[in-house]
Amino acid sequence: QQPVQSPQAVILREGEDAVINCSSSKALYSVHWYRQKHGEAPVFLMILLKGGEQKGHEKISASFNEKKQQSSLYLTASQLSYSGTYFCGTGGVSYNQGGKLIFGQGTELSVKP
Amino acid sequence: DVKVTQSSRYLVKRTGEKVFLECVQDMDHENMFWYRQDPGLGLRLIYFSYDVKMKEKGDIPEGYSVSREKKERFSLILESASTNQTSMYLCATFHQPGQGSNEQFFGPGTRLTVL
Repeated sequence: QQPVQSPQAVILREGEDAVINCSSSKALYSVHWYRQKHGEAPVFLMILLKGGEQKGHEKISASFNEKKQQSSLYLTASQLSYSGTYFCGTGGVSYNQGGKLIFGQGTELSVKP
Repeated sequence: DVKVTQSSRYLVKRTGEKVFLECVQDMDHENMFWYRQDPGLGLRLIYFSYDVKMKEKGDIPEGYSVSREKKERFSLILESASTNQTSMYLCATFHQPGQGSNEQFFGPGTRLTVL
């Protein structure tokens, strides 16, 4: 089953923060985050593994709550370049599944000047 | 530089036609995937392959088949195209766990319209 992302869409002003959630009904081993800009291929942002720490760069980070089977992506002080559709992809209980992921339906993020 | 290419960016076909979508990668990755992307539904896995001549069904394989005769090439086949197969099709590759980064690399996509 597809993980559920929320919200489905969000509009921000430059400099504002946003949180995108990804929830699964199945036990998770890993959560991957991707961003797709309009007309382009999805690009990998980060992976979170069961038992791992919160990952991220300066202003984009993510957490993984194994108990709740949920991951959250945090975008801080958003920039225009953050606009796009964000997807979470969930991996199963074994990492040795050839990288197979089940993706959520996506969250469309628009950052306005 | 990592590269995944797809044979066409845009394709228009008629109902009932046999359609071939090709994906080629130059990264020597074992695993390759075909997704379709529809608004509000995200990326849904059609088929994947973890080795030459090996394939497994994804979540929505009906109406599709695949072929992987060489490691670098993974083809998606629509045996008899129908209008509900109008969509964006994305190919992706992945290296075996522990042998590189953890990311899937995506091609640019093929927007298929079936009339």
